[in-house]
Amino acid sequence: GESVGLHLPTLSVQEGDNSIINCAYSNSASDYFIWYKQESGKGPQFIIDIRSNMDKRQGQRVTVLLNKTVKHLSLQIAATQPGDSAVYFCAEINYGQNFVFGPGTRLSVLP
Amino acid sequence: ETGVTQTPRHLVMGMTNKKSLKCEQHLGHNAMYWYKQSAKKPLELMFVYNFKEQTENNSVPSRFSPECPNSSHLFLHLHTLQPEDSALYLCASSPSGLAAGELFFGEGSRLTVL
Repeated sequence: GESVGLHLPTLSVQEGDNSIINCAYSNSASDYFIWYKQESGKGPQFIIDIRSNMDKRQGQRVTVLLNKTVKHLSLQIAATQPGDSAVYFCAEINYGQNFVFGPGTRLSVLP
Repeated sequence: ETGVTQTPRHLVMGMTNKKSLKCEQHLGHNAMYWYKQSAKKPLELMFVYNFKEQTENNSVPSRFSPECPNSSHLFLHLHTLQPEDSALYLCASSPSGLAAGELFFGEGSRLTVL
């Protein structure tokens, strides 16, 4: 079956450094990808999305990169802050079908 | 505030109890979802409702019974649960059930089955 996975289950970074969270997907027909952030005791929150016809999309301090050749998605967080500590999920979507979520990467920001 | 409200936030129940989880969305969306989130597992889709009609039942045991009286409200009725059903149950909504846009999640209901 199709699957979405994350390379690293945990990531620790120093405050102020950049963070990179990776995601591999297996369905080359996926149309749409989303990164979600889930803080402790809260539900997942949308961070940024990207369509399959794009390679890169930037938001406020976050950038998502899509490499369709190797079916790889990454989330880059610039100048990581303590408030960025959370679990990050990637989601893979085919139009008309359901979301497939990765297991999540826990990001810990060290002071 | 995501516009999706879940109650209760925490629930402890015995294996013979009957309880319900409630979800309400204030976003004008037409699709609503129940997901189960267990430790170290990806989010598991349970049910999907699109325009009040159930369009997905992801092989969920019958001890979980969903109800969608209108596009704004979704319930998950629980009875005769097992300890392995302890998890965070997340409700989500989207403009439609065609996976054409993001899901908006509630804060979740943390369920503990004793």
